[in-house]
Amino acid sequence: DTAVSQTPKYLVTQMGNDKSIKCEQNLGHDTMYWYKQDSKKFLKIMFSYNNKELIINETVPNRFSPKSPDKAHLNLHINSLELGDSAVYFCASSAKGSLYGYTFGSGTRLTVV
Amino acid sequence: GQQLNQSPQSMFIQEGEDVSMNCTSSSIFNTWLWYKQDPGEGPVLLIALYKAGELTSNGRLTAQFGITRKDSFLNISASIPSDVGIYFCAGLNYGGSQGNLIFGKGTKLSVKP
Repeated sequence: DTAVSQTPKYLVTQMGNDKSIKCEQNLGHDTMYWYKQDSKKFLKIMFSYNNKELIINETVPNRFSPKSPDKAHLNLHINSLELGDSAVYFCASSAKGSLYGYTFGSGTRLTVV
Repeated sequence: GQQLNQSPQSMFIQEGEDVSMNCTSSSIFNTWLWYKQDPGEGPVLLIALYKAGELTSNGRLTAQFGITRKDSFLNISASIPSDVGIYFCAGLNYGGSQGNLIFGKGTKLSVKP
């Protein structure tokens, strides 16, 4: 029973397309996140979101937008995909006030061609 | 923004050897965490440290929270082939309603049988 699940695992698409990555957590956590891991394996936060507050990393292009239909889901929409968007995207979640860090999904490898 | 300097970038060791990696920051953190990432998977929490000076073990892994709250190290004793992967340090501070987990750039560990 996967705690944080992402779909799809792999996504290959052409430049200019719009795509979405889905994320669901069954841990009852109230905060969810999206991270981007580049080719050098550097993990950088893109968004953090609970039902009250969305915090956007200022370096994230506005082509990226998180959408949360409910507390257990945080999907990532990407418009007008560019070659530089190719990376592995990780969803994560945490409980409010938790000192135990975040629980990560297994990632979505996005390749833009 | 806050940055973590993690070293070494990579290590190639013989099975049975001990491993040490560390992380430093220009600013303090309330919590230090160590994650491991296997190929094709998301980071998994290994050890969490909450107090300056704290020394915590998890099997063959030992980590310490530096007394200045600006650094941490991770030791792995008697390495085995399944220790292969990328190890990330991460610092966590809580402000407002949620925290922000900042990652180091990772240490890639290779173990030769």
